Amino acid sequence: DTEVTQTPKHLVMGMTNKKSLKCEQHMGHRAMYWYKQKAKKPPELMFVYSYEKLSINESVPSRFSPECPNSSLLNLHLHALQPEDSALYLCASSQVIGARGYNEQFFGPGTRLTVL
Amino acid sequence: DAKTTQPNSMESNEEEPVHLPCNHSTISGTDYIHWYRQLPSQGPEYVIHGLTSNVNNRMASLAIAEDRKSSTLILHRATLRDAAVYYCILRDLGDDKIIFGKGTRLHILP
Repeated sequence: DTEVTQTPKHLVMGMTNKKSLKCEQHMGHRAMYWYKQKAKKPPELMFVYSYEKLSINESVPSRFSPECPNSSLLNLHLHALQPEDSALYLCASSQVIGARGYNEQFFGPGTRLTVL
Repeated sequence: DAKTTQPNSMESNEEEPVHLPCNHSTISGTDYIHWYRQLPSQGPEYVIHGLTSNVNNRMASLAIAEDRKSSTLILHRATLRDAAVYYCILRDLGDDKIIFGKGTRLHILP
């Protein structure tokens, strides 16, 4: 199984709502990532988890709260978002970081988020 | 992070070879050259990577200049399914991050 799954596929939320995005992989990967992609732009890294611990936070606003409850799951909790946060949110996973410069990242299809 | 420069877009005819260029004049000795692509409505997918020598896999070939300041991704026989944005990325040994540049949008003409 070389698949990263993300739910939901689409999400519409108001600025006062709280919602969560979910990502799952069963490849035994111990590194997981969240990216944000605006239309016609490249993906931008948000967070990196290594062995279920947050290792990189790319100065993301606190209204985005990641969580890695176990080695297969990655969540992104959303609260008090702004319309400009509307984007495609991509999850990825890879083998342990640091192995010879080759740790191919496997991406999910993304969750398309619209904030009204 | 060392930067890469790619053309914004390219066109190619179906069933012909495609050469996608990438310039990385500030590449360091420990930077690997990675290529990912993003098909429409999908997440990015790994294509190929290399350090100094040319590389081949089932998807593509990677030709790396002798001075490593440029590289070329070669799709040997393009199909309509290869229409995507292709990203050339430099990653240092053991680096967690993938920093995506703007990429090249490849159009395949039937």
